[in-house]
Amino acid sequence: DAMVIQNPRYQVTQFGKPVTLSCSQTLNHNVMYWYQQKSSQAPKLLFHYYDKDFNNEADTPDNFQSRRPNTSFCFLDIRSPGLGDAAMYLCATSRDRGTGGLFFGPGTRLTVL
Amino acid sequence: GQSLEQPSEVTAVEGAIVQINCTYQTSGFYGLSWYQQHDGGAPTFLSYNALDGLEETGRFSSFLSRSDSYGYLLLQELQMKDSASYFCAVQSGYSSASKIIFGSGTRLSIRP
Repeated sequence: DAMVIQNPRYQVTQFGKPVTLSCSQTLNHNVMYWYQQKSSQAPKLLFHYYDKDFNNEADTPDNFQSRRPNTSFCFLDIRSPGLGDAAMYLCATSRDRGTGGLFFGPGTRLTVL
Repeated sequence: GQSLEQPSEVTAVEGAIVQINCTYQTSGFYGLSWYQQHDGGAPTFLSYNALDGLEETGRFSSFLSRSDSYGYLLLQELQMKDSASYFCAVQSGYSSASKIIFGSGTRLSIRP
């Protein structure tokens, strides 16, 4: 089945220790998104790739970086996680502008100790 | 900037109909979509409106009025499994900068 896969599902790190979250998709969608969602809040867009074009939200901290080496994979790097970065990180894909909706992966729950 | 407003909580009775409203402000509006999210799960896509009017998908319908910057999600024949958070999301921007921003969500509780 075509899907969006995120690894790991749960990530525990220490304050200031870099982490990388990964996302892969078999949908062959050209747009990939990273959202951060904290408890009882809306998913907050961090950045997205439209094909190879990278779009960073103005309020995304510099601590967050992303890479998309090919159509199928996208990575979220948190260079120096703080306690406030503990959240669910959701990867999503869409075809073009997303008129058919966003397809979400199961998310990675990040805990920062 | 962009903003979306929706009620934080709605309670309804099993078998009834409920409407969740969403108003938005954005530039370069392209479309409004709705997502369902159960506790501990990821959002799942329900519907999308780019043009004025009603879109129906089974028990769920979604409406858009572009002139009023307003939309709603209508859920009919409510079932206990419909208890979840519902997010409206606005698609805006042009070409590769087009993006999808979520509202704060409405928590729907269904009681027997």
